[in-house]
Amino acid sequence: DSGVTQTPKHLITATGQRVTLRCSPRSGDLSVYWYQQSLDQGLQFLIQYYNGEERAKGNILERFSAQQFPDLHSELNLSSLELGDSALYFCASSAHPKDYGYTFGSGTRLTVV
Amino acid sequence: QQQVKQSPQSLIVQKGGISIINCAYENTAFDYFPWYQQFPGKGPALLIAIRPDVSEKKEGRFTISFNKSAKQFSLHIMDSQPGDSATYFCAASITSGTYKYIFGTGTRLKVLA
Repeated sequence: DSGVTQTPKHLITATGQRVTLRCSPRSGDLSVYWYQQSLDQGLQFLIQYYNGEERAKGNILERFSAQQFPDLHSELNLSSLELGDSALYFCASSAHPKDYGYTFGSGTRLTVV
Repeated sequence: QQQVKQSPQSLIVQKGGISIINCAYENTAFDYFPWYQQFPGKGPALLIAIRPDVSEKKEGRFTISFNKSAKQFSLHIMDSQPGDSATYFCAASITSGTYKYIFGTGTRLKVLA
């Protein structure tokens, strides 16, 4: 157990729907990162939060949004889902952005049908 | 310029052999190079990392070799074991920036018993 908790582990939903993925970082970690892992794209950085504030954005679609709450858990919201959004979504955390080796959770496997 | 190119895509090694995975980058601003190991159904886990001020780092059976002038780095797994069978990702980051990782596309390693 890495200490980073992601729920749900699996999610199957229809095109056009909206889902929310949840991440609880390791105790004491203030920084949260979201990554998307698909077969043909590898691990792609989506967005980073630090202590509730957005720090960096990657290739995150406008249909996707995220936030980090005061208790430091984070949620990734995916809307108007398309078949191509099917992927593994990973959350990672670190104590501080300057902690280079951050820790990944086990991921949420999203299948859009 | 933000890409990290990883090869080979897959690798089969006999038990006790040496596994070698290579990565190359273009952006000379990258200054942190981690390797992650991922088992099926799990999130990537930090294996070993290097900064460009050293040419080699060893941790147990795992060694990173770094060639700054060639903008290449590689992972060597000595005395490879069946338990090492996993997908390995190299990554690069600019530590003065957002600390997001740019990942390689992964190498699926299979060690035969």
